[in-house]
Amino acid sequence: AQSVTQPDIHITVSEGASLESRCNYSYGATPYLFWYVQSPGQGLQLLLKYFSGDTLVQGIKGFEAEFKRSQSSFNLRKPSVHWSDAAEYFCAVGGAAGNKLTFGGGTRVLVKP
Amino acid sequence: KAGVTQTPRYLIKTRGQQVTLSCSPISGHRSVSWYQQTPGQGLQFLFEYFSETQRNKGNFPGRFSGRQFSNSRSEMNVSTLELGDSALYLCASSLVGQGNTIYFGEGSWLTVV
Repeated sequence: AQSVTQPDIHITVSEGASLESRCNYSYGATPYLFWYVQSPGQGLQLLLKYFSGDTLVQGIKGFEAEFKRSQSSFNLRKPSVHWSDAAEYFCAVGGAAGNKLTFGGGTRVLVKP
Repeated sequence: KAGVTQTPRYLIKTRGQQVTLSCSPISGHRSVSWYQQTPGQGLQFLFEYFSETQRNKGNFPGRFSGRQFSNSRSEMNVSTLELGDSALYLCASSLVGQGNTIYFGEGSWLTVV
């Protein structure tokens, strides 16, 4: 069975500092990995995705993630956060067959001025 | 290009009633999936439809059902509502094929009283 773990429920970071949000997955085949962001009361916006190829993936809003197969990880990073990055971030894994995504529990990011 | 559109955005129902939620996918997208988001259980996959056929199903009781129309629009129905059905219901759509991005709507907020 597939699963996703986001170990950090909350992360507090100062504006301008770097952010890293961890994601570990379990999947029996080649995983398709996603990071989504959700602002309060909103739906999910895709930040980036990994399907194959270069293991360092660039996304929108200056986010990037690195796929490490040996560690079953897909950690999200941003070099310098802005106050508008305060939101909840979800890592998800899916497969080639269909669009069934399994989500992690989410990481809520707070940005201090 | 319009995104995934969900209606209604907010609704309040009484225990025992039923509810129908609607989703219009992005033009050209033939796969539609539904997710339930609650504070306690997080984001959980309900079901996926493609070409008017249910292709994947999550672990929810039979009170939760869905369908897809020939124009790819989808509806989900919850019968005999329970308090625990209060949640944000998210619809997502994608093209069909490996490695396609899954786009989410803003969701329908259901409150059961």
